[in-house]
Amino acid sequence: NAGVTQTPKFRILKIGQSMTLQCTQDMNHNYMYWYRQDPGMGLKLIYYSVGAGITDKGEVPNGYNVSRSTTEDFPLRLELAAPSQTSVYFCASSLDRATSYEQYFGPGTRLTVT
Amino acid sequence: AQSVSQHNHHVILSEAASLELGCNYSYGGTVNLFWYVQYPGQHLQLLLKYFSGDPLVKGIKGFEAEFIKSKFSFNLRKPSVQWSDTAEYFCAVTTNGGSQGNLIFGKGTKLSVKP
Repeated sequence: NAGVTQTPKFRILKIGQSMTLQCTQDMNHNYMYWYRQDPGMGLKLIYYSVGAGITDKGEVPNGYNVSRSTTEDFPLRLELAAPSQTSVYFCASSLDRATSYEQYFGPGTRLTVT
Repeated sequence: AQSVSQHNHHVILSEAASLELGCNYSYGGTVNLFWYVQYPGQHLQLLLKYFSGDPLVKGIKGFEAEFIKSKFSFNLRKPSVQWSDTAEYFCAVTTNGGSQGNLIFGKGTKLSVKP
């Protein structure tokens, strides 16, 4: 199993550009999450999904959008990139909220907006 | 709102020294507690977790943590650290009352182990 995969690994954007961060999991997990990690700040939840077709906002959703058309994929969209979105983005998945809560993380995407 | 506090931002130890990283959370109900580790350049990996039962939890690579409900704490310990333990350690909590089961992370503690 590949687990949780993310592409790209690195990206540099200009202010105002848009991009999609891809996330795929092959563990048939229902729950998927997007976090951003800023230095010295831990991880903050951006959006999450409890299943295909169902998404909801986390703690820091502004400037982002998500969709969940399949169980496997959970892309994160930045529409108008801003310097404040420079961060490392982690996708994660878990089997179900009601069971173990254990989340499996992808390798991350390091995004720089200049 | 729930929160997690990790009191040490950066800990520097020599090899074979003992380690204890503090973690406190704010929530009065039932919690699930986790320690994740992030080695340089890598993604987060689960070190250990507590859901219920024995409050002393053993994880991978010789780490353990003790849940003390009265102190709202879940401190991470290792009797003798190695250079390969150099990493950033994150404490996280989720609650059964939460609507989405997402993890609430502390800000992390960087551990540097000198050979």
